[in-house]
Amino acid sequence: GAVVSQHPSWVICKSGTSVKIECRSLDFQATTMFWYRQFPKQSLMLMATSNEGSKATYEQGVEKDKFLINHASLTLSTLTVTSAHPEDSSFYICSARKGLEVGELFFGEGSRLTVL
Amino acid sequence: GQNIDQPTEMTATEGAIVQINCTYQTSGFNGLFWYQQHAGEAPTFLSYNVLDGLEEKGRFSSFLSRSKGYSYLLLKELQMKDSASYLCAGMDSNYQLIWGAGTKLIIKP
Repeated sequence: GAVVSQHPSWVICKSGTSVKIECRSLDFQATTMFWYRQFPKQSLMLMATSNEGSKATYEQGVEKDKFLINHASLTLSTLTVTSAHPEDSSFYICSARKGLEVGELFFGEGSRLTVL
Repeated sequence: GQNIDQPTEMTATEGAIVQINCTYQTSGFNGLFWYQQHAGEAPTFLSYNVLDGLEEKGRFSSFLSRSKGYSYLLLKELQMKDSASYLCAGMDSNYQLIWGAGTKLIIKP
């Protein structure tokens, strides 16, 4: 199967700082990447869809100025949580679509963010 | 609206068989996914059904009935490592995944 790498796995930061999370497709080119947030014991919540070379499409209720997404290349998308607050503490997961087949969706390992 | 329903929690015994049900309502339909998620980890792909019927893959099988908006994941010969959450997700006409809240499966010796 395809490999998607997410970094960092764990991050603790102070309130008001910004945190960048990287999502890389290691052995394939991903035209589309997705960013999810998951709170404890809850389902994955799609935050935004990121297409290489264009602006991300954000889901309703997700602040685009707070969650900056950059998909600069076919193998890298980044999520920056700006001016993080304790309520932003969550598990952030990216996924990447390998090809045109709908089943070819692969997930990164996830990044657990704790804002103090 | 779009909705995925699955039980919150199930308990089964090691070596037994368990069936996790999922009903879905999506705007259009482009398939039904099952993922396994261990605590603190990202989901891993288990199966994808787009046609009616049963797809078998080792100890895991997945079934789909499009007319009933229903799917199930069948796990045989349960092992302790199967303790995890199992996520059902439907793909709508825009190829967006609609996620269920997950079913926490507890395996007892």
